[in-house]
Amino acid sequence: GNSVTQMEGPVTLSEEAFLTINCTYTATGYPSLFWYVQYPGEGLQLLLKATKADDKGSNKGFEATYRKETTSFHLEKGSVQVSDSAVYFCALLGAGNMLTFGGGTRLMVKP
Amino acid sequence: NAGVTQTPKFRILKIGQSMTLQCTQDMNHNYMYWYRQDPGMGLKLIYYSVGAGITDKGEVPNGYNVSRSTTEDFPLRLELAAPSQTSVYFCASRAGGETQYFGPGTRLLVL
Repeated sequence: GNSVTQMEGPVTLSEEAFLTINCTYTATGYPSLFWYVQYPGEGLQLLLKATKADDKGSNKGFEATYRKETTSFHLEKGSVQVSDSAVYFCALLGAGNMLTFGGGTRLMVKP
Repeated sequence: NAGVTQTPKFRILKIGQSMTLQCTQDMNHNYMYWYRQDPGMGLKLIYYSVGAGITDKGEVPNGYNVSRSTTEDFPLRLELAAPSQTSVYFCASRAGGETQYFGPGTRLLVL
C-alpha cells in the first residue's frame, strides 16, 4: 500500500535559517504530492502541491520538487520566520482520491 | 463563508459513553472525510462520503458510524467510547479537485 515517511521533529531553527523537511513516499503509479501546514489551534491547510515528476510546488517562500527517481518531495525554505512555526505534513493522493499522510514534523522558529 | 466547522472543540468522555462529532461545510462540496490524528502519527481516514446518502469505510472505521443526509453535514458517531479512541478528529471536504479543506479539529479524551 501507499506510505509516506517524513523526518521526525521537532525541528528548531533560528529566524532566517534555511529549512529542509525530508519526505519520501511509497506508492503505485505517480501520485500527486502535497505539503499541508497546521498552525496552532487550527486545521490543516494546503501549502503546496505537485502533480507530476519534476514539478516544483511553491507558496509563501516554501518549495518542494517532485523527484520520481528518489521518491521524494522535500520541503525547503530559504529563510524561516517565527510565523512559520507549525506542524508540516507531507501527503500523497492515491487511488480513489484518498490522501495518505506522513506523521508530521513540528517546526519551531526562535527569534 | 466559514469553510469547514467542527463542534465541539474538546470533549472528555467516560468509557462506554457515546457522542456525535459534528461537521458542517458551507462550500457545497460533494466529498467529505473524517480523519483521526494520533500523537506523532499522520492522519488516518475513518469514513468518507462522495455525496448525500453515500458513505464508505476508510482505513480505521471500527467503533465509528457516519451518516450523510445533507450535502452540508457529515456527523461522526461514537457508540461505545474506548480509550483507544482518544485522538484529535478532523473533518475535511473537497469539490471535484484534489485539494481537501480541513476543519479545526475536535480533541477527544476517553477516560
